[in-house]
Amino acid sequence: AQTVTQSQPEMSVQEAETVTLSCTYDTSESDYYLFWYKQPPSRQMILVIRQEAYKQQNATENRFSVNFQKAAKSFSLKISDSQLGDAAMYFCAPRAGANSKLTFGKGITLSVRP
Amino acid sequence: DAMVIQNPRYQVTQFGKPVTLSCSQTLNHNVMYWYQQKSSQAPKLLFHYYDKDFNNEADTPDNFQSRRPNTSFCFLDIRSPGLGDAAMYLCATSRGRVAGDEKLFFGSGTQLSVL
Repeated sequence: AQTVTQSQPEMSVQEAETVTLSCTYDTSESDYYLFWYKQPPSRQMILVIRQEAYKQQNATENRFSVNFQKAAKSFSLKISDSQLGDAAMYFCAPRAGANSKLTFGKGITLSVRP
Repeated sequence: DAMVIQNPRYQVTQFGKPVTLSCSQTLNHNVMYWYQQKSSQAPKLLFHYYDKDFNNEADTPDNFQSRRPNTSFCFLDIRSPGLGDAAMYLCATSRGRVAGDEKLFFGSGTQLSVL
């Protein structure tokens, strides 16, 4: 089983600035995957970025990147050049190995100030 | 566009009156999931189907059941809704579950109110 902690319930960022959303997790598995999902006010959840634990290189998707610290079991999401459309709830979700379920954290509500 | 569709967007039911939420997908994915999400909380997995194989989470109340008559459709039945069942219900699909990095595709959800 895995657990995930998102300790910041809300964050705010100025448009065009950079923001980092924190996530820590715990798992006894050696092979696992980590995801960030975004849920905008329209409520359709979409995948932002994913990271394989065996890869040392941090994943990057355009303005979104992660800082994966395996030893510390930390998986933070960095959003660069924040846009108004980035305003949403962001969920960190580990998945330990094949055939296991995704475990969502409690989420962080991000607001973007124009 | 291929997608996951949930109907209705909003559903109101009465305490104790059975209600069914529906989900359809055009992605031809093998796996379909139902999540319950209460206000400002993490989505909680209720159960999932891998093809016709039903997998119930241990802590899912007996009041919740599901049907998957074919690949495209999946239903969530709440036999006797209580006030505590008011929530957003999210349907999701994935191509398979073998690969750990499998991506989930979500519908827009059905917001259930219980009066």
